[in-house]
Amino acid sequence: GAVVSQHPSRVICKSGTSVKIECRSLDFQATTMFWYRQFPKQSLMLMATSNEGSKATYEQGVEKDKFLINHASLTLSTLTVTSAHPEDSSFYICSASRGELGGYTFGSGTRLTVV
Amino acid sequence: KQEVTQIPAALSVPEGENLVLNCSFTDSAIYNLQWFRQDPGKGLTSLLLIQSSQREQTSGRLNASLDKSSGRSTLYIAASQPGDSATYLCASPSGTYKYIFGTGTRLKVLA
Repeated sequence: GAVVSQHPSRVICKSGTSVKIECRSLDFQATTMFWYRQFPKQSLMLMATSNEGSKATYEQGVEKDKFLINHASLTLSTLTVTSAHPEDSSFYICSASRGELGGYTFGSGTRLTVV
Repeated sequence: KQEVTQIPAALSVPEGENLVLNCSFTDSAIYNLQWFRQDPGKGLTSLLLIQSSQREQTSGRLNASLDKSSGRSTLYIAASQPGDSATYLCASPSGTYKYIFGTGTRLKVLA
């Protein structure tokens, strides 16, 4: 139980375009989801907390106008990287609480490459 | 503010060896500590979760311990196999939900 599906797994886009990443909880409802970014050989850094039906909470240093988060339902959160630039190239991973299982379950990640 | 450190950063062992990965945290008032496995270019797979009231958890060849007083957790892997090669991450919440991750230990098990 507590499976999170993330799509796409890999995307290449041109500089200046926008990319949307989806994160779905398949067998449970997730009122809160989290978005992380991981640069090569570094650990995961929390970008923002996505709350169903309300605005996301962003970590210090993360541009909310660049990384748009929408959590319109209890099973879907999306992260849109707007006007992407090469420095936005990274591995993005979402997660959600596992509820009664405790801890968190993570999506399979999205490798974004901006060229 | 919680800080999580993992030692060693990288480890290479021959197949069949037992090994220990270390995780240290600064704030002992933790709710839980979770160990993950990450394969190259992939997401995270949860291995073990230890609640603050527990001292250890076991799953197959894996055993994780938690010592809050010393701010340490260990992940013990018995009879290592090449398929165990991956990066192992520990994480603990800071506050109620914000997970703070260690930098990971890159494990390579040689056949």
